[in-house]
Amino acid sequence: AQRVTQPEKLLSVFKGAPVELKCNYSYSGSPELFWYVQYSRQRLQLLLRHISRESIKGFTADLNKGETSFHLKKPFAQEEDSAMYYCALSGQAVDSGGSNYKLTFGKGTLLTVNP
Amino acid sequence: NAGVMQNPRHLVRRRGQEARLRCSPMKGHSHVYWYRQLPEEGLKFMVYLQKENIIDESGMPKERFSAEFPKEGPSILRIQQVVRGDSAAYFCASSPDYWETQYFGPGTRLLVL
Repeated sequence: AQRVTQPEKLLSVFKGAPVELKCNYSYSGSPELFWYVQYSRQRLQLLLRHISRESIKGFTADLNKGETSFHLKKPFAQEEDSAMYYCALSGQAVDSGGSNYKLTFGKGTLLTVNP
Repeated sequence: NAGVMQNPRHLVRRRGQEARLRCSPMKGHSHVYWYRQLPEEGLKFMVYLQKENIIDESGMPKERFSAEFPKEGPSILRIQQVVRGDSAAYFCASSPDYWETQYFGPGTRLLVL
């Protein structure tokens, strides 16, 4: 079974401080990992996915298969980063019989960046 | 491109009534997914549809819930005889193909009194 765990429901940091949002997963095959973000009064949007290895808005995330983690990091938080962050997982097509469209989400972490 | 549209944004129903949630995918997207988010939970997959076909409904409750994506018009998630436990946010997403990024709508918040 697929499972995504975000251990922190709330995270509060000061502007300019480093931030790390934790995500651990459980999946028997080769997962594809995502971070989605939802700003206040806006829709859920993709922040980054591990296969693209991009840095979006200064955020990065590295897939650690040994620790089954995909933590989201940013060295210097900004007030506009305040939002709800969701980690999500899908199986790769070869592992999941082609059902890699099925996203499994964590419960989310509400990040507040204080001035 | 206006993005994925969902309506209504908020829906209040009394127990036993029917709820109809609509989703218009982004232009050029023929793959639609429905997710449900119960309070304090993450989004959970319900159903995946292509035009006129249900591809995977493994996340749908066995009774009272149905979904369609007709040749013309939006995708519809229908909940018959709603109960209080159906109160949740229902999100629709669409993609150009099943392996591509899913783009989410703003959600419909259903409240059952």
